[in-house]
Amino acid sequence: DAGVIQSPRHEVTEMGQEVTLRCKPISGHNSLFWYRQTMMRGLELLIYFNNNVPIDDSGMPEDRFSAKMPNASFSTLKIQPSEPRDSAVYFCASAGGVETQYFGPGTRLLVL
Amino acid sequence: GQQVMQIPQYQHVQEGEDFTTYCNSSTTLSNIQWYKQRPGGHPVFLIQLVKSGEVKKQKRLTFQFGEAKKNSSLHITATQTTDVGTYFCAGNSGGYQKVTFGTGTKLQVIP
Repeated sequence: DAGVIQSPRHEVTEMGQEVTLRCKPISGHNSLFWYRQTMMRGLELLIYFNNNVPIDDSGMPEDRFSAKMPNASFSTLKIQPSEPRDSAVYFCASAGGVETQYFGPGTRLLVL
Repeated sequence: GQQVMQIPQYQHVQEGEDFTTYCNSSTTLSNIQWYKQRPGGHPVFLIQLVKSGEVKKQKRLTFQFGEAKKNSSLHITATQTTDVGTYFCAGNSGGYQKVTFGTGTKLQVIP
């Protein structure tokens, strides 16, 4: 089992550029979560999907952030336009029939 | 909304000393999970507690779920350098698989 796969692992971009983060959940898991982690705010839930449907996006900071899950094996988190305050580690996690979440290795984003 | 707080925020202990982190929820939980995140790594699931007053052990780690299902604790006996990391509790108030992560306790073990 490859676990949750995220790409890219590191991203450095300039303010104003579009950033797309990708996630492949564990096969068979029906829930997918996007988190953001910073020193100041800790681990924040941005959005979660159940059976590819967005259930709760109340954590999405603003309209610059969007997330999609076109099928059970792929999700994207997009930031457009990016800003320096978006710099953080973004984690994707997936879960099966129980609540245990399996996290990916994260994408370390730096917006200059 | 639901809030989950942990104390302490940071803890430095000498190797061999015990360590405890406490987790408190603003609402009653259906279950609580604990995760460990090593420096530079990602959160890794440790355990889930479901029943009121439940106690579970994993080697040197002891997890407790409060009687009112609003608080929990993690106790590590005789810490080792491999215990270094941030410990998060995560509470579920029911409905789907969404959990609210606590603020975390960062443990540093001094050899």
